[in-house]
Amino acid sequence: DGGITQSPKYLFRKEGQNVTLSCEQNLNHDAMYWYRQDPGQGLRLIYYSQIVNDFQKGDIAEGYSVSREKKESFPLTVTSAQKNPTAFYLCASSIDAGGRSTDTQYFGPGTRLTVL
Amino acid sequence: QKEVEQNSGPLSVPEGAIASLNCTYSDRGSQSFFWYRQYSGKSPELIMFIYSNGDKEDGRFTAQLNKASQYVSLLIRDSQPSDSATYLCAIRYSSASKIIFGSGTRLSIRP
Repeated sequence: DGGITQSPKYLFRKEGQNVTLSCEQNLNHDAMYWYRQDPGQGLRLIYYSQIVNDFQKGDIAEGYSVSREKKESFPLTVTSAQKNPTAFYLCASSIDAGGRSTDTQYFGPGTRLTVL
Repeated sequence: QKEVEQNSGPLSVPEGAIASLNCTYSDRGSQSFFWYRQYSGKSPELIMFIYSNGDKEDGRFTAQLNKASQYVSLLIRDSQPSDSATYLCAIRYSSASKIIFGSGTRLSIRP
């Protein structure tokens, strides 16, 4: 079964803790992305990676960190520096990082993070 | 200024009618346009993409693109209750990996 998996589905964090969200894909896609979605809002880009061992900041990268050591994996760490981390986090991937017009992003099921 | 604008809704449409969802954008360098459907509590799923002016049809869905007027629309024919969801418009600018998402339009199909 090809697809994108995210874990955990629900995550609860105490203030001051770092947490890591997992994202794995077996689609052989080059590019991977992390988005944050707040209630009633669209998706905001946190980080993206076009190739292994390289990644770029998105629009709201402060308080987050990522790594891309393997093509299949793009974990996101929400650090204690992120002041309002409660949100729905979505990971996506796409075939071609070169920006072809038809390149499409596909999403994982998401992780809902709540800060207690 | 937002780069991708959508009416948040809710847009209420009777079952069997045509639902029309609109999206406007500010950058004339926009290259390709995507419509995603998102059910409450779920992740977005791609409905279709379009990058040439005109209409593109896929089953009950038709995407319409007008680059001169900077808008893209999604028409849903024979609306069903299962079409009730939030519809996200997304745009890729030329030579970019990033996609910019609108905030979505909530569609409700009433029986």
